[in-house]
Amino acid sequence: QVQLQESGPGLVKPSETLSLTCAVSGDSISSSNWWSWVRQPPGEGLEWIGETYHSGTSNYNASLKSRVTISVDKSKNQFSLRLTSVTAADTAVYFCARTHCDSTSCFYIDYWGQGTLITVSS
Amino acid sequence: QSALTQPRSVSGSPGQSVTISCTGTSSDVGAYNSVSWYQQHAGRAPKFMIYDVSKRPSGVPDRFSGSKSGNTASLTISGLQAEDEADYYCCSYAGGLYVFGTGTKVTVL
Repeated sequence: QVQLQESGPGLVKPSETLSLTCAVSGDSISSSNWWSWVRQPPGEGLEWIGETYHSGTSNYNASLKSRVTISVDKSKNQFSLRLTSVTAADTAVYFCARTHCDSTSCFYIDYWGQGTLITVSS
Repeated sequence: QSALTQPRSVSGSPGQSVTISCTGTSSDVGAYNSVSWYQQHAGRAPKFMIYDVSKRPSGVPDRFSGSKSGNTASLTISGLQAEDEADYYCCSYAGGLYVFGTGTKVTVL
């Protein structure tokens, strides 16, 4: 059973950098799947942030591209999100997720972490 | 990339059917057969319900079905049950990126 668990500070100050880590169990970070981050502001809908592959290739939401970096740590079987210059608009529940890809099908999220609320406030 | 358009809410009585639409463009929904649907109960992580427009992962009841025509995908819940009351989101691959729908609240009357 694949499980993902986010970790990171619950509170970040405006203009600082948000850093989150997602620990993966039940699958290898070096498998054929991609590893993603999705966020959800309080009371709002889901927003795709981006994804990364074990090769180091990453894709990002154009609206966040200048501020976001997603990377993998193969030694720890985990991946990370880094979002710079945060504002109150970045307050949200952040989910890490697995984007499925194999020889038969790709391009859908099949496993989600439980989510972690990040509040941007001084 | 703009969010896919979904109705804000739909409702139905137990046993009835409801359909949620998800309208995108020729760059996302219309371009790829890679539409997925997610159910989200309050305070919980989304749950994977449909992939590749109409395929159900194991464990998802066959009351849930998906389809697509042109730039619009749809999720139908047949035989509505109380536990189906939740928010539902569509998601489409759009060539190196993904876009979610605006979300639909399903209410069981």
